[in-house]
Amino acid sequence: GNSVTQMEGPVTLSEEAFLTINCTYTATGYPSLFWYVQYPGEGLQLLLKATKADDKGSNKGFEATYRKETTSFHLEKGSVQVSDSAVYFCALGGQAAGNKLTFGGGTRVLVKP
Amino acid sequence: GAVVSQHPSWVICKSGTSVKIECRSLDFQATTMFWYRQFPKQSLMLMATSNEGSKATYEQGVEKDKFLINHASLTLSTLTVTSAHPEDSSFYICSASGPGVTDLLGVGGFGTQYFGPGTRLLVL
Repeated sequence: GNSVTQMEGPVTLSEEAFLTINCTYTATGYPSLFWYVQYPGEGLQLLLKATKADDKGSNKGFEATYRKETTSFHLEKGSVQVSDSAVYFCALGGQAAGNKLTFGGGTRVLVKP
Repeated sequence: GAVVSQHPSWVICKSGTSVKIECRSLDFQATTMFWYRQFPKQSLMLMATSNEGSKATYEQGVEKDKFLINHASLTLSTLTVTSAHPEDSSFYICSASGPGVTDLLGVGGFGTQYFGPGTRLLVL
């Protein structure tokens, strides 16, 4: 079956530091890959998406590249801000997965001023 | 684009009562809606998938008679927690998906789920 593994948090950083959150997946077929962000007390917001191998999704300074050879979709941001403090979820889905999303466990990120 | 709302955002009820949560896609037609449950500091657990005009498909272990899902239109799905008990207290989140949706990222399309802000339920 499908599964997503992402690094456990919490990840604590100083403002302007580089952020990487590792995400690897197991899937049959060719799923789409997503990063969602959840701020305290809120639902999930789509951060970025990639639908095929070597696609790079990017938004708000975050980026992730769909690496089929390493089955990975690591999230990166070059300079984090306090407002980036949130929980980040890696997920796979799309039509190949019957449109259901399989989530990783989430990674809590805390950015200190 | 691709905005999903939920109502109410907070609800407190007595044990034994029923609670209805609404999920609406505001600017697109949602052919499929999903209901999730999230426990504190945990990931989302898919409860059921509903397609407009069809019966919902429940995940294994989810009681369909307890969690009634209705998806009567392309913009509205409801989750009713019947005879709620304290163990049903949780954060319930819906998501919606549909063809031809374009979000602020300029992407989307069928298979991308857009989430509501969630409903926190507390059963006393």
